Amino acid sequence: GQQVMQIPQYQHVQEGEDFTTYCNSSTTLSNIQWYKQRPGGHPVFLIQLVKSGEVKKQKRLTFQFGEAKKNSSLHITATQTTDVGTYFCAGLNYGGSQGNLIFGKGTKLSVKP
Amino acid sequence: DAGITQSPRHKVTETGTPVTLRCHQTENHRYMYWYRQDPGHGLRLIHYSYGVKDTDKGEVSDGYSVSRSKTEDFLLTLESATSSQTSVYFCAISESTVIRQETQYFGPGTRLLVL
Repeated sequence: GQQVMQIPQYQHVQEGEDFTTYCNSSTTLSNIQWYKQRPGGHPVFLIQLVKSGEVKKQKRLTFQFGEAKKNSSLHITATQTTDVGTYFCAGLNYGGSQGNLIFGKGTKLSVKP
Repeated sequence: DAGITQSPRHKVTETGTPVTLRCHQTENHRYMYWYRQDPGHGLRLIHYSYGVKDTDKGEVSDGYSVSRSKTEDFLLTLESATSSQTSVYFCAISESTVIRQETQYFGPGTRLLVL
C-alpha cells in the first residue's frame, strides 16, 4: 500500500540553526499537508501543497512540493525554541480512499537555547 | 481550534474490560476519524466515518469498533482492552466541500493506559 517516509526521525539543533525535514511517497500524491504537534498537544494543520513544484512560505518556514509530486520538504530558517515539536507530513492520494491522509512518522525537533 | 472535544481525556483500565471513547464535534463536518499515536509509529488510522452510520476500517482496525449515530458524535470502542492498545487516541474531522482539500482538524486526544 501507499507509504509516506519521513526523515530524519529526530533532529537536535542549536537555536538559530536551520532545520529541514523530508518526506517521500511511494506513489504520486494529489496533495501533501504538513502538521505540527507541540509536546503534549495535538497535531495542528500548517499548510497544504497541491501543485507540482509548489513553494510556500510562512515567515521562517518554507514548504516545497517536488516536481513529480512524490516528495516534499519543510525548512525552518533560524530556529527558535517555539519551533520545538514534531512535524508530520501527510500525503493524499485520490487513487485510494477519499479523505484518508497517509501520515509520515514525523520528525521530532528539539532546539537548545 | 475547531470545535472538537474528546472524552474522557485520560483513562486507566484493566485488560479485558470494554472501553468507549467519545468524539464530539460542533462543526457539522462530514468526515470523522480515529487515530492512535505511538512512539515510532506516528499517527495510524483506526477507523473513519464518511457520514451517519457510514464507517470503514483503517490500517489498524483489529480490536476496535466504531459507531456514528449522529453527525456530531463518533464513538470508538475497545470490546476487550489489551495492553497493546495503550496509546494516545486522537479524533479528527474534515469536510470535503472543496475538491482536493482534505485538511484534518484534531481533537485534544485521549490517553489510555491498559494494565
